[in-house]
Amino acid sequence: GQSLEQPSEVTAVEGAIVQINCTYQTSGFYGLSWYQQHDGGAPTFLSYNALDGLEETGRFSSFLSRSDSYGYLLLQELQMKDSASYFCAVPTGGGNKLTFGTGTQLKVEL
Amino acid sequence: DTAVSQTPKYLVTQMGNDKSIKCEQNLGHDTMYWYKQDSKKFLKIMFSYNNKELIINETVPNRFSPKSPDKAHLNLHINSLELGDSAVYFCASRPRQANSPLHFGNGTRLTVT
Repeated sequence: GQSLEQPSEVTAVEGAIVQINCTYQTSGFYGLSWYQQHDGGAPTFLSYNALDGLEETGRFSSFLSRSDSYGYLLLQELQMKDSASYFCAVPTGGGNKLTFGTGTQLKVEL
Repeated sequence: DTAVSQTPKYLVTQMGNDKSIKCEQNLGHDTMYWYKQDSKKFLKIMFSYNNKELIINETVPNRFSPKSPDKAHLNLHINSLELGDSAVYFCASRPRQANSPLHFGNGTRLTVT
């Protein structure tokens, strides 16, 4: 089967840098995605890594190490609006569906 | 606006009732999904349709019946609702291209009393 583990909660202060980790076990690997979900809202796509290394998109970066079955989302210059749940996800079922991790609740404090 | 839209946003009903949730996407995507998010925010896939054809059914009780009249619509009908069905149900779509991101609707919060 497949599983994706994330820390359940992370707390950081405004302006800081925070890293949200994701370790996965899948049969077949097609890349690692990250989604953000604010309370009461829909998950929205943040980033996708197919290959090892760091992908940067503004204040957010995502890293993948396929040999370690591990990735992380790095959020820099944290803002209050970054308080949300963050989910890693991998395509499974031959790429036909997206399986999500357990989710990490990020709380940004003043 | 181009989007995935689902109705209703909130649904409160009693055990044993039958209810439907509708979803429409105007993004031209080929594949649509239903996900269930429980109280612990765990997102679990229920069904996937590709161009009106069912391709994934994740051992969901047969009280749940999806219907896709065309590739832009995917509705979810639930019979004999149970307390455990209370959750947020998200519709999503994506293009055919491999590893393309999911676009989610705003969710339907179903409360069964």
